[in-house]
Amino acid sequence: QQQVKQSPQSLIVQKGGISIINCAYENTAFDYFPWYQQFPGKGPALLIAIRPDVSEKKEGRFTISFNKSAKQFSLHIMDSQPGDSATYFCAAKRPGSARQLTFGSGTQLTVLP
Amino acid sequence: SQTIHQWPATLVQPVGSPLSLECTVEGTSNPNLYWYRQAAGRGLQLLFYSVGIGQISSEVPQNLSASRPQDRQFILSSKKLLLSDSGFYLCAWSDSGTGANVLTFGAGSRLTVL
Repeated sequence: QQQVKQSPQSLIVQKGGISIINCAYENTAFDYFPWYQQFPGKGPALLIAIRPDVSEKKEGRFTISFNKSAKQFSLHIMDSQPGDSATYFCAAKRPGSARQLTFGSGTQLTVLP
Repeated sequence: SQTIHQWPATLVQPVGSPLSLECTVEGTSNPNLYWYRQAAGRGLQLLFYSVGIGQISSEVPQNLSASRPQDRQFILSSKKLLLSDSGFYLCAWSDSGTGANVLTFGAGSRLTVL
């Protein structure tokens, strides 16, 4: 019930291509779905987040697509750049929980120049 | 603005030695504080979280302990390190209360146990 399943584990994309990372969850009580970006040797940083009352959120080249009925959400990185190479984590949070986030297992993205 | 400091950045310790990692947050009061561990190539495992001074919740049984002696200070400790304690340790904070969503991480402490 608490798991968030993330795929793929690793992804290699050519510069200018689209990177797509998928996550699925079981707990319908989750009400907040962020994505974190982590560069090597650094802590993760919030990239973009969505709530289940909208189906899509876009910030620059980054878009979250949310499918409430399928209990899935995905991150799309348009025009991927070598500087986007990092590990990406999806996460989900239950309301009323100070325990915070349940994280996916992470996707290591490599964008080739 | 709020900032989070974590130290030391890198630590190499022998098996059986003690450990102390420290984390402090500036620019906020009564934050929720968290310790995560990230093994090489793995995801983020929540170890401890705290909603106030002296209030620690443990997520997994292990060789580690946490303490919160001051409002904005969070310490991760071990009396005797194991090889399996090696990893990247991340402190994080969020606004207090159960409605807060944004989790902000520190830069991490890389621990190698030899």
